[in-house]
Amino acid sequence: EVQLLESGGDLIHPGGSLRLSCAASGFTFDIYTMSWVRQAPGKGLEWVSVIDKSGEITYYADSVKGRFTISRDNSKNAMFLQMNSLRAGDAAIYFCTRIGIPGTFEIWGLGTTVTVSS
Amino acid sequence: EMVLTQSPGTLSLSPGERATLSCRASQGVDSRYLAWYQQKPGQAPRLLIHASSRRATGIPDRFSGSGSGTDFTLTISRLEPEDFAVYYCQQFGDGNSPRYSFGQGTKVEIK
Repeated sequence: EVQLLESGGDLIHPGGSLRLSCAASGFTFDIYTMSWVRQAPGKGLEWVSVIDKSGEITYYADSVKGRFTISRDNSKNAMFLQMNSLRAGDAAIYFCTRIGIPGTFEIWGLGTTVTVSS
Repeated sequence: EMVLTQSPGTLSLSPGERATLSCRASQGVDSRYLAWYQQKPGQAPRLLIHASSRRATGIPDRFSGSGSGTDFTLTISRLEPEDFAVYYCQQFGDGNSPRYSFGQGTKVEIK
């Protein structure tokens, strides 16, 4: 069964850092582009970042550029999101997604919750 | 910047009725890169439609997508109880750097 499982969400103070992880299983991880999408409480969906299958090419939403870093370890079937200088506006459920069909978030994890509060 | 505007914000219908959801883009969209998702409370979104009109694996044929250019539509031919949820459209643009945009969502609620 194809599965994505996020972890690492926590309550963090503004200005703090957090690292999210996504464990993939049930498919050949290293042939897929992967991405993070977030959803603030009671709000809609917002794309955060994307990483190509090799991990060499990454892109970010303007709202997180310079603060967040996406990476992956294909040997461990895992993707990561390093989040620095966290703000209240970063509070959200963060979903790990697989981009199998071009431009489309084909598979979603259950999400991990990041709360930013003093 | 691409903006996707979904209408209506909320659609109140009864089971068995037809639902028509609209997604309008501020610029032309490549039809290959327009998708629709369903999200139920407390759950992750689920891909319904990709490439404007192609149903994802396992999606019932009461769901259909259409449109081109700046206007796209998701139609649910006859609402089942499990279809009451929030629906999002999403587009991908690969200009200078990839950009993924979502609409703000349409909630389909039981009347």
